[in-house]
Amino acid sequence: QSALTQPPSASGSPGQSVTISCTGTSSDVGGYNSVSWYQQHPGKAPKLMIYEVTKRPSGVPDRFSGSKSGNTASLTVSGLQAEDEADYYCSSYAGSNRCVFGTGTKVTVL
Amino acid sequence: EVQLVETGGGLIQPGGSLRLSCAASGFTVSSSYMTWVRQAPGKGLEWVSLIQRGGDTSYADSVKGRFTISRDNSKNTLYLQMNSLRAEDTAVYYCASPGGGGTWRFDNWGQGALVTVSS
Repeated sequence: QSALTQPPSASGSPGQSVTISCTGTSSDVGGYNSVSWYQQHPGKAPKLMIYEVTKRPSGVPDRFSGSKSGNTASLTVSGLQAEDEADYYCSSYAGSNRCVFGTGTKVTVL
Repeated sequence: EVQLVETGGGLIQPGGSLRLSCAASGFTVSSSYMTWVRQAPGKGLEWVSLIQRGGDTSYADSVKGRFTISRDNSKNTLYLQMNSLRAEDTAVYYCASPGGGGTWRFDNWGQGALVTVSS
């Protein structure tokens, strides 16, 4: 049950796009379409941004989008805004009713 | 409106036991799967345990055999019994539940309960 690999940091200027990768294996990311992405502001609980690779829960702006290719999933934030500055975590179903989270990426809006 | 409120955190000595509670409102805990996720100070999220609607349970390797997830339908509450606690179990523990159809999506989160394992 190793954590999924994410880059420690990513950044972009307001209005730009940033893409965060999430690399796993064929036993988790590559094997199932159950990848989710969470946004977490300091001192707050995580917020679901994407589920089942590409789906957005109600209320999440369409600036947030997800994709997957092989063992790597990605989250793209388009039209960066100041409030998008946060930590982002991916998660994936890992078989046997277990889940694994990514290492987390700190997104900075320059 | 869905609300999850965790209680039961605190300071506990290594080897001790603690039970976390997660009181739910706005939905029925037995109607869906629910999970516990923890976050050590300054660290990332770590999945801990899940209970299915039918009652099946699953655990991360790091807590298997020491932690037990359960629910009380009459109190609409989720629990996490933590035994043989170690320093590395120190974390904020969140309970979470799905907000709609689909799998392994956790829309609703509690505010978290801090568990500190230290002598």
